[in-house]
Amino acid sequence: QKEVEQDPGPLSVPEGAIVSLNCTYSNSAFQYFMWYRQYSRKGPELLMYTYSSGNKEDGRFTAQVDKSSKYISLFIRDSQPSDSATYLCAMRRNQGGKLIFGQGTELSVKP
Amino acid sequence: GAVVSQHPSRVICKSGTSVKIECRSLDFQATTMFWYRQFPKKSLMLMATSNEGSKATYEQGVEKDKFLINHASLTLSTLTVTSAHPEDSSFYICSASLPGQGDNEQFFGPGTRLTVL
Repeated sequence: QKEVEQDPGPLSVPEGAIVSLNCTYSNSAFQYFMWYRQYSRKGPELLMYTYSSGNKEDGRFTAQVDKSSKYISLFIRDSQPSDSATYLCAMRRNQGGKLIFGQGTELSVKP
Repeated sequence: GAVVSQHPSRVICKSGTSVKIECRSLDFQATTMFWYRQFPKKSLMLMATSNEGSKATYEQGVEKDKFLINHASLTLSTLTVTSAHPEDSSFYICSASLPGQGDNEQFFGPGTRLTVL
């Protein structure tokens, strides 16, 4: 079993839709959770960073962490074609620890 | 701020040759840099952690004699793929952690696509 599971998609939505991206994990020791966006043939860029459980909002993006269920989510409101990319979840046990990535979900937002 | 560059962005080489990839932190000094490998539609796999002035720490299953890492300065780390073979073809990405942030955030380079013929 992989430490971090993420549905690779592809996920296709119309412009303006609310997008929900999710990851599950098996190691309860993970405390730091990130979401990265990766455009084709580019390196990942950090979108959201959350410590422990709870919600965090930044513009159209909301990250949720439910440690009891070992489940994290990223919501994108009012999705735009420019949001079309691969979204990777990542997590680590502690500061300085190794980042464990999900497989990435490929998102396509159609105009 | 916090820009990481990689060079080259793309390289094609013949089997048996060695290829060097550079990773630079442009506007900050990175005491720790990381090298990842990514296959198509796959997650990033950490290959090694590189600390300035010391030997790199390799992940299990990564051949240190094949993937030579040098972190000679606070702004430059290099990955050399020695005697490359077609199975080494992949997307190689480096990242650098921002000092003072408790290594909570890694900034990634744009990646290098290696194709070994």
